[in-house]
Amino acid sequence: GNSVTQMEGPVTLSEEAFLTINCTYTATGYPSLFWYVQYPGEGLQLLLKATKADDKGSNKGFEATYRKETTSFHLEKGSVQVSDSAVYFCALNPGYSTLTFGKGTMLLVSP
Amino acid sequence: DTGVSQDPRHKITKRGQNVTFRCDPISEHNRLYWYRQTLGQGPEFLTYFQNEAQLEKSRLLSDRFSAERPKGSFSTLEIQRTEQGDSAMYLCASSLMYPGPGLVTGELFFGEGSRLTVL
Repeated sequence: GNSVTQMEGPVTLSEEAFLTINCTYTATGYPSLFWYVQYPGEGLQLLLKATKADDKGSNKGFEATYRKETTSFHLEKGSVQVSDSAVYFCALNPGYSTLTFGKGTMLLVSP
Repeated sequence: DTGVSQDPRHKITKRGQNVTFRCDPISEHNRLYWYRQTLGQGPEFLTYFQNEAQLEKSRLLSDRFSAERPKGSFSTLEIQRTEQGDSAMYLCASSLMYPGPGLVTGELFFGEGSRLTVL
């Protein structure tokens, strides 16, 4: 079946630090990959996406590259801000069904 | 605002009572999804509709749960005889069957959720 594994949090960083949140997946075929973000008290929002191998999704300074050989889609940001504190979810869609999410990784950024 | 809206945002009920949640999707979206999210977990798929047809149901959707989308627009999720284990955030999302420019298959737009607490 399809599954997504994310690193456990919380990830605690100081402002301007480099961020990596690891995500690996198991899926049949060639899924689309997504990162969603959930800010405190808000709904899930799409952060970035990639649809095929070696695609790089990017948004708001965040990036993730679809790596088929390692079945990974790690989220990175060069310099985090306090406002990036949220829960980040990696997800996949195999194209014939709906989204499968990881458990989420909480990011806490301190000034 | 033309996003996905859910009502109520919070519901506290006693065990054994019935509850109903409503979801209004983005108007032009023909697919509508229900997910459940518990503390510390990612959203778990419950069911989805394409127009008024319910096309897929998860094993999580026990016979106490029923979802409808009678006219292919808004949807309701009813939980009968609630149990404490039903306490969760119930998320609704919508999408286009055929993504438009800049969108991809499976890209869902979520509402803010309906939080259920069963005492």
